[in-house]
Amino acid sequence: NAGVTQTPKFQVLKTGQSMTLQCAQDMNHEYMSWYRQDPGMGLRLIHYSVGAGITDQGEVPNGYNVSRSTTEDFPLRLLSAAPSQTSVYFCASSLRQGEQFFGPGTRLTVL
Amino acid sequence: GQQVMQIPQYQHVQEGEDFTTYCNSSTTLSNIQWYKQRPGGHPVFLIQLVKSGEVKKQKRLTFQFGEAKKNSSLHITATQTTDVGTYFCAGGGTYKYIFGTGTRLKVLA
Repeated sequence: NAGVTQTPKFQVLKTGQSMTLQCAQDMNHEYMSWYRQDPGMGLRLIHYSVGAGITDQGEVPNGYNVSRSTTEDFPLRLLSAAPSQTSVYFCASSLRQGEQFFGPGTRLTVL
Repeated sequence: GQQVMQIPQYQHVQEGEDFTTYCNSSTTLSNIQWYKQRPGGHPVFLIQLVKSGEVKKQKRLTFQFGEAKKNSSLHITATQTTDVGTYFCAGGGTYKYIFGTGTRLKVLA
């Protein structure tokens, strides 16, 4: 099993550009989440999903969209990148309210 | 909304000393998880506590969940250099987890 995979590992965007961060898991987990991590702020929940076709907002959803068309994939879309979205993004998956498995992260810089 | 506070933010200890980090939630939690993140890495699950007053041990690590299910602690006995990293608690509600700000532990050999 590959576990949770994320692509790309690094990305530099210009303000206003859009992009999609990819996340996939091969553990047949129901729950998937996106977090961002900024220095001194811990991990903040952006969006989460409790199953295919079901998504909901977390603590900091503005500027991000998600969809969950399959159990395996949970992409995060930045609609119009802003410097405030410079961060490290982690995707995680779990069975219902269980251990969360994190991907290796995507380090995003917005200029 | 739900908030999870964690203290201290930083802790430097001599190797062999004990270490404790505390986690407090503004709301009652259904469960709490603890994670460790090494520098440059991703969070790795340590444990989950579910019951009021629960205490669990993993070798030198002791985890507690408060009676009111609003606070938790992680205690490391006789720290080693391999314990270096940031320790996060994550408070569980119905479907989502809110992470604390983390405690960064440095161990001086």
